[in-house]
Amino acid sequence: QVPLAESGGGVVQPGRSLRLSCAASGFTFSRYGMHWVRQAPGKGLEWVAVISYDGLNTFHADSVKGRFTISRDNSKNTLYLQMNSLRGEDTAVYYCVKEREGRAFDDWGQGTLVTVSS
Amino acid sequence: DIQLTQSPSFLSASVGDRVTITCRASQVISNYLAWYQQKPGKAPKLLIFAASTLQSGVPSRFSGSGSGTEFTLTISSLQPEDFTTYYCQQLNSYPPDFGQGTRLEIK
Repeated sequence: QVPLAESGGGVVQPGRSLRLSCAASGFTFSRYGMHWVRQAPGKGLEWVAVISYDGLNTFHADSVKGRFTISRDNSKNTLYLQMNSLRGEDTAVYYCVKEREGRAFDDWGQGTLVTVSS
Repeated sequence: DIQLTQSPSFLSASVGDRVTITCRASQVISNYLAWYQQKPGKAPKLLIFAASTLQSGVPSRFSGSGSGTEFTLTISSLQPEDFTTYYCQQLNSYPPDFGQGTRLEIK
């Protein structure tokens, strides 16, 4: 059973928008901080954004600040990433990740590929 | 931001070898360090958190140590499935960045 399942990836033109979703199951979603992490093809891991368990606090990487917005709906056990003004350098696999009490990222989704290309 | 530097970036070893990967932080991060293993085409998997605590289900041949700014991941006896890429991550402060990765290859 995969507790985190991303969706919404695809091919999008530069400057356009895309919204990723992550459906959580198998744990009490509303108790945990959640993150998005991305990985460009052949590259390392890049942290993107975090949202607190209650959705009241968010923080975004400088590389996406002002363009991406993380959010969550605890009634639907779902995490989101709204991505606007997409650029070629945003091309990556995007992972939805559960945080273990500030100590680690202990559950990862399978990832969804976003390709920004004209 | 805290920078993490892993060494080596590439490591060649044989089945049964003992190997150590080092992760150095640009600032003191106490023990807020985690290690991940990533196989090609798969999501990363948590191996160690709090610098030295083994995640449930991870084989005991994996171990972590360190505190402050220098940390190590040791694999005591390499198995064929261990030849892949490893990342460290600091969680002391935002952004919780990752090291650049260490690729472990079969000699």
